[in-house]
Amino acid sequence: GENVEQHPSTLSVQEGDSAVIKCTYSDSASNYFPWYKQELGKGPQLIIDIRSNVGEKKDQRIAVTLNKTAKHFSLHITETQPEDSAVYFCAARLRGGKLIFGQGTELSVKP
Amino acid sequence: DTAVSQTPKYLVTQMGNDKSIKCEQNLGHDTMYWYKQDSKKFLKIMFSYNNKELIINETVPNRFSPKSPDKAHLNLHINSLELGDSAVYFCASSQTRQGAQYFGPGTRLLVL
Repeated sequence: GENVEQHPSTLSVQEGDSAVIKCTYSDSASNYFPWYKQELGKGPQLIIDIRSNVGEKKDQRIAVTLNKTAKHFSLHITETQPEDSAVYFCAARLRGGKLIFGQGTELSVKP
Repeated sequence: DTAVSQTPKYLVTQMGNDKSIKCEQNLGHDTMYWYKQDSKKFLKIMFSYNNKELIINETVPNRFSPKSPDKAHLNLHINSLELGDSAVYFCASSQTRQGAQYFGPGTRLLVL
């Protein structure tokens, strides 16, 4: 069935370093790819999204890239800060409108 | 001025009981969703309503019944609660069926 694979499951970086999280999706008709940040005890918060007609999108320290041919997309966080520590989820929207989520990446930024 | 709100935040109950979770959004969105997040943090859609019409109904036990009295509200009623229903339930909304989804703070359900 349709699925989204996300790697790594955990990621530890030093403050100021970059962090990269990668996802692959199976449904070639997927056309929308959001990224969510979930802090402990809170709901997922949309941080950036990209549509299939765009290859890259940037918002301050966060960027997302999409390779439709390879069916993968990545989240890049530069100059990481301790407050970036959270669980990050990628997702892909299927042709029927349903969002399929990756398994999550627990990012830890050490001061 | 919370965009998507849920009540209650915590729900502890006995097996076999019936419970409801309420969700409200003040964003003027047309589409609302219920998701379940399990103990491994995996997020999976359960239901979606667009303008009060059910549009996504995943393989969920029929003990779970969503109800949308109006566009701003989507409630989830669970009958005969089981241990395996313990999870965090999130409500979300989007402007349209194709729009970005915004999540509520979650309801942590524990079935004893």
